[in-house]
Amino acid sequence: NAGVTQTPKFRILKIGQSMTLQCTQDMNHNYMYWYRQDPGMGLKLIYYSVGAGITDKGEVPNGYNVSRSTTEDFPLRLELAAPSQTSVYFCASIWDRTDTEAFFGQGTRLTVV
Amino acid sequence: GESVGLHLPTLSVQEGDNSIINCAYSNSASDYFIWYKQESGKGPQFIIDIRSNMDKRQGQRVTVLLNKTVKHLSLQIAATQPGDSAVYFCAENVRVGGGADGLTFGKGTHLIIQP
Repeated sequence: NAGVTQTPKFRILKIGQSMTLQCTQDMNHNYMYWYRQDPGMGLKLIYYSVGAGITDKGEVPNGYNVSRSTTEDFPLRLELAAPSQTSVYFCASIWDRTDTEAFFGQGTRLTVV
Repeated sequence: GESVGLHLPTLSVQEGDNSIINCAYSNSASDYFIWYKQESGKGPQFIIDIRSNMDKRQGQRVTVLLNKTVKHLSLQIAATQPGDSAVYFCAENVRVGGGADGLTFGKGTHLIIQP
């Protein structure tokens, strides 16, 4: 049981480039989330999904897109990278809304220069 | 502003002492509150949760207290150990869209254990 796996761990992007942050979970969880964590701050919700084929915006969705074609995978897409997107990104999953223990990936540290 | 926030950014305690980390929240409709621990370079890990209809819940060396009157949450760690050094976040579930829940996190408190 690997839990939640994120790739890559680190990435440097130039302004205007695009990339996809990968997230996979093997716990058959229904809910998946993407958060960003800026230095010295808490986690802000970008997008979430309650099941395959269903996604919705969180608190800070601008500049990002997601898809959920399978239960296991929840990739986060940055189309036109901007310096404001420099952050650490965490993917998380949870069984359903009645559960309280979310499992997080190790994070992706993204720098946009 | 954030609906969940923490009073102190850094808390330094002596090894073996008890620690109390505080959190204020503003969303009275939250179903539950959760404490997470984040060690350096890692993702947050679940510590303990408390339902909104409870006042207190105990785990192994940890106790969470919920005061709904003043919208205050605290995490008490007994006999702190070096491994307790981390950033602690309180979180609450809030509805962020069409019926689903998202966890809203506070800024975090960095707990430092002095030898």
